[in-house]
Amino acid sequence: NAGVMQNPRHLVRRRGQEARLRCSPMKGHSHVYWYRQLPEEGLKFMVYLQKENIIDESGMPKERFSAEFPKEGPSILRIQQVVRGDSAAYFCASSRMRGEHTQYFGPGTRLTVL
Amino acid sequence: KNEVEQSPQNLTAQEGEFITINCSYSVGISALHWLQQHPGGGIVSLFMLSSGKKKHGRLIATINIQEKHSSLHITASHPRDSAVYICAVTPNTGNQFYFGTGTSLTVIP
Repeated sequence: NAGVMQNPRHLVRRRGQEARLRCSPMKGHSHVYWYRQLPEEGLKFMVYLQKENIIDESGMPKERFSAEFPKEGPSILRIQQVVRGDSAAYFCASSRMRGEHTQYFGPGTRLTVL
Repeated sequence: KNEVEQSPQNLTAQEGEFITINCSYSVGISALHWLQQHPGGGIVSLFMLSSGKKKHGRLIATINIQEKHSSLHITASHPRDSAVYICAVTPNTGNQFYFGTGTSLTVIP
């Protein structure tokens, strides 16, 4: 039973490019959470999605960031026109149902913006 | 102000020592979590607590709901325990985690 999968594990982009981060939740999980860990800082919530729905995006920057979790396929966190300050580790977690407190974390994607 | 505060920020211990990491939170919660993050970054859930005490091997986690405080204890610490330990809470009003800034533990042989 595969855990939460994220790809790529490492992503390098130049300023102004787009970054797409993918997250495949655990089998049977329909809830996905994205978190960001900036260098030397703690993890911060970004967005909570259910299949085809954004439940809570209160932690998402207002511009350039978007997330989706389609009916089929992985959840995608998209960052347009990346800047150096976007360099961070982005973690995805999944849970089976709403209200279930246990979240299983993926290995993270480390984004470096040159 | 962060919803979750951890102390200490950094901790160095000799192998075999008893270790305590503290976590205080300021919001109403439905659960508190202790997570472990190793160098290289993967995050593993150690405990989820809503009351009382849990034990897993050499790790013990306690929570006092009235005082909004939790502790993570490691008995007979070992160099392989070296990692960042993160306290996180699930608030009553949502599903997302609020995280402490982590405690970086180094256990010296």
